[in-house]
Amino acid sequence: KAGVTQTPRYLIKTRGQQVTLSCSPISGHRSVSWYQQTPGQGLQFLFEYFSETQRNKGNFPGRFSGRQFSNSRSEMNVSTLELGDSALYLCASSLALLAGVVDTGELFFGEGSRLTVL
Amino acid sequence: DQQVKQNSPSLSVQEGRISILNCDYTNSMFDYFLWYKKYPAEGPTFLISISSIKDKNEDGRFTVFLNKSAKHLSLHIVPSQPGDSAVYFCAAQGAQKLVFGQGTRLTINP
Repeated sequence: KAGVTQTPRYLIKTRGQQVTLSCSPISGHRSVSWYQQTPGQGLQFLFEYFSETQRNKGNFPGRFSGRQFSNSRSEMNVSTLELGDSALYLCASSLALLAGVVDTGELFFGEGSRLTVL
Repeated sequence: DQQVKQNSPSLSVQEGRISILNCDYTNSMFDYFLWYKKYPAEGPTFLISISSIKDKNEDGRFTVFLNKSAKHLSLHIVPSQPGDSAVYFCAAQGAQKLVFGQGTRLTINP
């Protein structure tokens, strides 16, 4: 079956702009999580959506937001971009029926969207 | 507040030898632990996991050990192969959270 698809793969923005990233989960997966990967910080949890509802949120400012559609596809938005927002943004889907619980022990990650802010 | 820590940013091991990657956690509510492997330009992929009711789980060349009293887990790879060169992330699950460590870059030298 098709894996997790993220678009765009690469993008360059300037400070102050906003960006929208898209994620299509594995068919049948209703949970979509977003992570930010930066050197030295590892994978930082942004938020998780399940059935169009945000049910878990990490410690990121309000400039980071997301949403999930009825077909489980998800988007995340970052407004008023800062240089420090340059990172790889990873989306992961799972069957997770409970918040924060990976039922099968697995998250399936996409290849990520690499954002560079100049 | 880094609840899951991988204190070694990098590790270099000779091919055929054992690779040991370490991970420490602080939250006693964590009850399930996972390791993910990440190659450049790819998303992380699940490698192996362990429940807090166990102290060891083995899958082929990969074994994860859990020491709950020390809040420490480790991943052993024996024997190490060149294809094992990647970044390894440990993750801990519990209290409605799944928290990842910073990652350790493993390089297997021929």
